[in-house]
Parts: sequence; structure tokens; C-alpha cells
Amino acid sequence: SQTIHQWPATLVQPVGSPLSLECTVEGTSNPNLYWYRQAAGRGLQLLFYSVGIGQISSEVPQNLSASRPQDRQFILSSKKLLLSDSGFYLCAWTTGGNSPLHFGNGTRLTVT
Amino acid sequence: RKEVEQDPGPFNVPEGATVAFNCTYSNSASQSFFWYRQDCRKEPKLLMSVYSSGNEDGRFTAQLNRASQYISLLIRDSKLSDSATYLCVVPHTGRRALTFGSGTRLQVQP
Repeated sequence: SQTIHQWPATLVQPVGSPLSLECTVEGTSNPNLYWYRQAAGRGLQLLFYSVGIGQISSEVPQNLSASRPQDRQFILSSKKLLLSDSGFYLCAWTTGGNSPLHFGNGTRLTVT
Repeated sequence: RKEVEQDPGPFNVPEGATVAFNCTYSNSASQSFFWYRQDCRKEPKLLMSVYSSGNEDGRFTAQLNRASQYISLLIRDSKLSDSATYLCVVPHTGRRALTFGSGTRLQVQP
């Protein structure tokens, strides 16, 4: 069966520090991969998605970036965090087409 | 018009009640729809998929009205454990992604 791993679960970082969140999927090949963010009390905002290695689509202009160095690995990064980057970051995968998304457990990021 | 809109609630209902949520969407070409459940401070989890006119799973029924561009979720015999936020999800216009509604909060009371 397919599983998705996301880490760390929680993170507290100072403003201006770098960020690296990692997500890996097991049990499937060539998944579509996604990063969403959920601010406190708000809905899910699509940040990035990828349909293949090295293919990244960005949805929102910001100081975040994403990379997909391997088929089942998706990384979210920032060189300098802002206070507004605080939120609940969710990695998700799907087989594509009309399939639903499956989420990792999420990373709760607090920028201080 | 937003891609997907939901009544934020909260819906406060007693145990055993029947409750329904509606969700409207703007992309008339959408073929697949989903309802997710999200507990506080947790990731969303798939509740139901809707590919045709509707779907039923136990106490939960989802219906799709393509003409009016809305989907609904009906919960019968509400349990305390049904308390959560319910997210309506539709395909993202022009992207291979899904757009999530802001969610409807349900609180089932004893």
C-alpha cells in the first residue's frame, strides 16, 4: 500500500532563517506531488505541484521554492523565512486523473 | 465567483440529527469531486469521492447537481465523533491540482 512521510511534525524557526521540509511517498511510482499551506483558521492554499522529476509549478509568488530531485521526493525550501510563512504545511500525492489527494501528517511551522 | 464556496458554519446539531452541507463550484467542466474531513490540527482525510450523480457510504451521502453546480453532503444519525470541519474539493481550473473550500465546521452535541 502507498504511504506518505512528511517531516518534521513541528518546527519553530526565527525570521530570516532557512527552511527545508521533506516529503517522500512509498508504494507508487510517478505520483503527482503537492505542497499546500493552511494558515490558522483558514483554508488550504496550493503552493506548488509537480507531475514529474524536476517539473515544478508554482501557484503563489512568495519566498518559498520547491524541488523534486527524485520521483517520490518533494522538498519545500526557503532561504529566509518571514513571519507570514507560519502555518500548517501539507504534502500530498495523487496518481493523477480524477484521483483524490492523500496527505501526509503535516508540518506545523512557527516563525518567531 | 470563487472556484468553490462553502458555508463556514458552525453547524451545531444534537446527536442523532441529520445535517446537510452544500458546496458550489464554478468550473462547469469538473468531473470529479471530493469531500474531506479535517479534525483540529490534523491533515485532511478523504471522506467520499463523487464521480457521477452521487455516492453513499453508511450514514454519509454525497450528491452532485451538475445543472446547478453544487454538491452536497448529508450526514444521518450524527455522532459526537462526526464533529470536524468538512472540506469540499473540486478540480483546480487549468491545473492538475485540487481546490479546497474553506470548510464547514460541524459540532455535534450530546
